[in-house]
Amino acid sequence: KAGVTQTPRYLIKTRGQQVTLSCSPISGHRSVSWYQQTPGQGLQFLFEYFSETQRNKGNFPGRFSGRQFSNSRSEMNVSTLELGDSALYLCASSLDGSEYYGYTFGSGTRLTVV
Amino acid sequence: QKEVEQNSGPLSVPEGAIASLNCTYSDRVSQSFFWYRQYSGKSPELIMSIYSNGDKEDGRFTAQLNKASQYVSLLIRDSQPSDSATYLCAVNLAYGQNFVFGPGTRLSVLP
Repeated sequence: KAGVTQTPRYLIKTRGQQVTLSCSPISGHRSVSWYQQTPGQGLQFLFEYFSETQRNKGNFPGRFSGRQFSNSRSEMNVSTLELGDSALYLCASSLDGSEYYGYTFGSGTRLTVV
Repeated sequence: QKEVEQNSGPLSVPEGAIASLNCTYSDRVSQSFFWYRQYSGKSPELIMSIYSNGDKEDGRFTAQLNKASQYVSLLIRDSQPSDSATYLCAVNLAYGQNFVFGPGTRLSVLP
């Protein structure tokens, strides 16, 4: 059974640019959540998508957006990048996003903004 | 008050000892609780879940939940150097809501 696939693994971008990250969940999983992980703030919730709809959203500015496709693959986009956006972005796949199933995380995308 | 709190550590234990990791949460209606292990440079991996008060054992791991005290813990028996990692507590604060992660406790098992 394939795991959660995130691409790309590493990215270096310049301030002001935009970036799109991709996540393919485990086959059959319909919920995809995105987290930002930094040494200072830990794992911070960005948003969750379930059946192509954003179901939950964290406290991030509107520069952070996402979407989910009919095959459950998800993308997140960050526009007008800032230095503080440098982080590990983790995608988490769950069967249905209910509180009874834990997450399976992808390997993450390491974003560096210079 | 932070929603999920953990001692950041590092917690150092000798090989073969019991490591005890603690987590407190702020919302009494929290439904489910998970422990994740994260090795340096890797993504978190799920190791335990618990939903009801009491203990739940899985191999060398035991999760303990006390909803009245808003406290969940993870015990690792016969700790091995390979257990050295950061342990993250995750709490689902309410039905249909996302999980909130604690800051993690770094565990070091000394050979």
